[in-house]
Amino acid sequence: EPEVTQTPSHQVTQMGQEVILRCVPISNHLYFYWYRQILGQKVEFLVSFYNNEISEKSEIFDDQFSVERPDGSNFTLKIRSTKLEDSAMYFCASRGTGGGEKLFFGSGTQLSVL
Amino acid sequence: DAKTTQPPSMDCAEGRAANLPCNHSTISGNEYVYWYRQIHSQGPQYIIHGLKNNETNEMASLIITEDRKSSTLILPHATLRDTAVYYCIVRVASPGGFKTIFGAGTRLFVKA
Repeated sequence: EPEVTQTPSHQVTQMGQEVILRCVPISNHLYFYWYRQILGQKVEFLVSFYNNEISEKSEIFDDQFSVERPDGSNFTLKIRSTKLEDSAMYFCASRGTGGGEKLFFGSGTQLSVL
Repeated sequence: DAKTTQPPSMDCAEGRAANLPCNHSTISGNEYVYWYRQIHSQGPQYIIHGLKNNETNEMASLIITEDRKSSTLILPHATLRDTAVYYCIVRVASPGGFKTIFGAGTRLFVKA
């Protein structure tokens, strides 16, 4: 079965540094998402992306966050100046337009901000 | 916010059916019910979805009440590998098409 691939699996960074989390969605999917999960808490919606622009974003997704689809295969989440509270597991997801419109999630990137 | 209410945790004996309830009393007529699960810290995994009719696939069955205010996910023969957090989600329309909002879910413990 096709998969959503995320790299790296773990990322450690210093507070104030920029990080880029990378995702390769399923190849024929058109809708892309980022979610995050702070340890012990629920999965939170960050942003949705379609047709090369943000469709919707949550209150969490402030000016420090940005997303990009730089080519036909990658989908990235950038955090410009990381804060301690950005430490979380970040999940990328994608979906197509058929098949029940279900989301396919990657295995996540564990971001640790020190 | 999630439009669903689930019990925080449930136990099930291995080999028995696991019945996970979900209340969604404010669901609208065209809103689907989706179920996902999250095993340990992995990415959520789609299980099943439905609108009005009961649904079955290779993973589970979904029973939706006639008034659509509640549903039950059934894992017919639970195994230890089914231990996970199960999320019942009412998918709502949004500018991006549809938005999937996770609640706290039900933590299912399958015991030997």
